[in-house]
Amino acid sequence: DARVTQTPRHKVTEMGQEVTMRCQPILGHNTVFWYRQTMMQGLELLAYFRNRAPLDDSGMPKDRFSAEMPDATLATLKIQPSEPRDSAVYFCASGLRTGFGNTIYFGEGSWLTVV
Amino acid sequence: GESVGLHLPTLSVQEGDNSIINCAYSNSASDYFIWYKQESGKGPQFIIDIRSNMDKRQGQRVTVLLNKTVKHLSLQIAATQPGDSAVYFCAEIEGSGTYKYIFGTGTRLKVLA
Repeated sequence: DARVTQTPRHKVTEMGQEVTMRCQPILGHNTVFWYRQTMMQGLELLAYFRNRAPLDDSGMPKDRFSAEMPDATLATLKIQPSEPRDSAVYFCASGLRTGFGNTIYFGEGSWLTVV
Repeated sequence: GESVGLHLPTLSVQEGDNSIINCAYSNSASDYFIWYKQESGKGPQFIIDIRSNMDKRQGQRVTVLLNKTVKHLSLQIAATQPGDSAVYFCAEIEGSGTYKYIFGTGTRLKVLA
């Protein structure tokens, strides 16, 4: 089964350290999303790419978060410096618009704990 | 892996019974809807989708019903199994040109043996 692959699955880091999360979207999908999920906020959209171009990153704290797609098979989300409030699950999702709709498929997430 | 705050609505269902999970969506202009299942420690998993020009769509053991008049979506799971225990949430999207999904708060389904 084709699936979105994320690394690392779990990360514990100290406050102030840089964190990089990586995502391999499903082959052929031209849209990539980064979401953050917390108990209190649910799923929040951080960034959105279409055909590797960033179209919306309004959900990201610009001073510390950055998202890129170096190529069609890799998306990255970087936090520098990390803070305890960044502790959350970060999901990458990819999608492809079909005649029926814009279905997006999620990876298994990167579980980040900043201490 | 929960997608909601501390007070998730919970539905408890006996194994073998049918489950009905409800979702009220917000935008009358939304034209595409998806149901996701999220098991503990995992990412949301696509279950079934429906367009606004449909009232009903069936999958394997699942049926989605859409009532546009009252902006209501439901997911029916037939013969609920222990593996169906998870958080279920709906997502809506307005128009084919947009990308901003609005996710519901989720319902926890507990299957009782």
